[in-house]
Amino acid sequence: GAGVSQSPSNKVTEKGKDVELRCDPISGHTALYWYRQSLGQGLEFLIYFQGNSAPDKSGLPSDRFSAERTGGSVSTLTIQRTQQEDSAVYLCASSLVAMAHNEQFFGPGTRLTVL
Amino acid sequence: KQEVTQIPAALSVPEGENLVLNCSFTDSAIYNLQWFRQDPGKGLTSLLLIQSSQREQTSGRLNASLDKSSGRSTLYIAASQPGDSATYLCAVIGPGAQKLVFGQGTRLTINP
Repeated sequence: GAGVSQSPSNKVTEKGKDVELRCDPISGHTALYWYRQSLGQGLEFLIYFQGNSAPDKSGLPSDRFSAERTGGSVSTLTIQRTQQEDSAVYLCASSLVAMAHNEQFFGPGTRLTVL
Repeated sequence: KQEVTQIPAALSVPEGENLVLNCSFTDSAIYNLQWFRQDPGKGLTSLLLIQSSQREQTSGRLNASLDKSSGRSTLYIAASQPGDSATYLCAVIGPGAQKLVFGQGTRLTINP
């Protein structure tokens, strides 16, 4: 079946603009995760959803970052007033349910470049 | 706070060699450990998942072992091929947690 999909694959924006990144999980997966991969920091957790709720937002780096999930499916990660340090690859993953023993399956990522 | 370290950061070997990638973690209270492969500009492909109660998992030419008490895992690749060239990442997840904690990765190059 179809895997996790993300759009756009690449996004170039100017400093100060808002951006929206989209993630479509594997059908039937109730848990969805956002991670960020940057050169200096490696791969870091941002937020996860179980259904439409986000029990853990601890990885969001500032209040410019927000995420939502509707209908227990598609999720959008929004970055407001982008800064150059936001440049990174944003990866989305999904799993059957948000439990530690469930394998997480990753999408191809969105490469964000802030000029 | 859980920290994951991968050694070496980069490795280059001739085709056909057997090789070992190392992963260590500071908190042994993990639920499972995953090894991923990442090709340049691509997402992560899961290779092997080892539950905390397991000692090893095998898939084809790959074998991953886990020594939870010492906080170590190894990924063994047999008879390496140029197509194995990629970055290999290990990640752990703790009980009651939902987030993976990743190492910095090992960039592997297999020379024909």
